[in-house]
Amino acid sequence: DADVTQTPRNRITKTGKRIMLECSQTKGHDRMYWYRQDPGLGLRLIYYSFDVKDINKGEISDGYSVSRQAQAKFSLSLESAIPNQTALYFCATSERGTLTDTQYFGPGTRLTVL
Amino acid sequence: AQRVTQPEKLLSVFKGAPVELKCNYSYSGSPELFWYVQYSRQRLQLLLRHISRESIKGFTADLNKGETSFHLKKPFAQEEDSAMYYCALSGYNNDMRFGAGTRLTVKP
Repeated sequence: DADVTQTPRNRITKTGKRIMLECSQTKGHDRMYWYRQDPGLGLRLIYYSFDVKDINKGEISDGYSVSRQAQAKFSLSLESAIPNQTALYFCATSERGTLTDTQYFGPGTRLTVL
Repeated sequence: AQRVTQPEKLLSVFKGAPVELKCNYSYSGSPELFWYVQYSRQRLQLLLRHISRESIKGFTADLNKGETSFHLKKPFAQEEDSAMYYCALSGYNNDMRFGAGTRLTVKP
């Protein structure tokens, strides 16, 4: 589903560097989410946004920040990357409404922090 | 706190055998529960949600509030069912909690 795209798809960086992961969607959804996936832990929610002016912390927001530049764009930043932030990061979108909470996922960004 | 537990990291069955992927949840209100699936080299995608009460690809899941479970079942597994399966709960503030996932392998 090319409606949710993530850039870059792979990134290797060093400890202490600032990193930005970007997510764009053409589905016209109001809600956007950032997750990280670690082996044995499943997906954990980092931040989510219900519209441009509504940003919420998820389960594991420490060490991360986000920016909702527009309805279609939601960026995740690591201000000073550390090795335990090495993970697969997923962006997702969903429509507004409690009965239409299906989430649509991007392809993922594999981040390695050395 | 809302939490989703999938007790089996790996599950292997033979083609044609019944399969059940377990999911238990912890939530004080009325949750919305989902099963998501990730096939090899594909994106994570919704398989089914309890509110729809539908059967997708032969899979069903029943919400048991007494046992706080939402197990995924299929009477006859197929090789193409091999994938990673995640149970998820949408609760407070509509944020989503996922379980750790179960990797299902269906052997020929």
